[in-house]
Amino acid sequence: DTGVSQNPRHKITKRGQNVTFRCDPISEHNRLYWYRQTLGQGPEFLTYFQNEAQLEKSRLLSDRFSAERPKGSFSTLEIQRTEQGDSAMYLCASTGLGLAGSSYEQYFGPGTRLTVT
Amino acid sequence: QKEVEQDPGPLSVPEGAIVSLNCTYSNSAFQYFMWYRQYSRKGPELLMYTYSSGNKEDGRFTAQVDKSSKYISLFIRDSQPSDSATYLCAMLSGGSYIPTFGRGTSLIVHP
Repeated sequence: DTGVSQNPRHKITKRGQNVTFRCDPISEHNRLYWYRQTLGQGPEFLTYFQNEAQLEKSRLLSDRFSAERPKGSFSTLEIQRTEQGDSAMYLCASTGLGLAGSSYEQYFGPGTRLTVT
Repeated sequence: QKEVEQDPGPLSVPEGAIVSLNCTYSNSAFQYFMWYRQYSRKGPELLMYTYSSGNKEDGRFTAQVDKSSKYISLFIRDSQPSDSATYLCAMLSGGSYIPTFGRGTSLIVHP
């Protein structure tokens, strides 16, 4: 399978716990994005990487959220001290290197559904 | 006001109908216009994209962009029950790497 993969697919955690999600992008893709999606809403941008460099983070991203892409391949998204409002689908997408406009062709993973109880 | 507005629906149509899905936007810098399809509990998949204004056709799907009205459309001909999904529009300005998504329109095609 050469698509974007995400693990785990589902995560149930108690409020206050830390969680970590993993994304494996398409191997030749240099840019990797994290989004959050809640029911009835479109994907909301969280952060993106070009290779191992984190180039932009959403102003809405709490400091409880941190993302890494240590070797420019897979990425992890960690949420510390989870809150019920963090319950959402967390989507990862990747795209190849090119002009800015080439980021239109994003390939999404299946997402990790987080439930905070 | 959000940068991209999209009616959430649901839009319910009979099989074989022509479906029209629309988005409006406020940012005149947007140059790339995309449509993604998202099945329940799955990630979005890119259906079509258009650069600047005009029409683009791919099989049963036609994307239209009217930059003067800041309005984009996706038409689906001969709709099938398998087209039942949420359709997300997304937009990107030429100098940006971060698309802005609409909230999606839920489409139901019933046999």
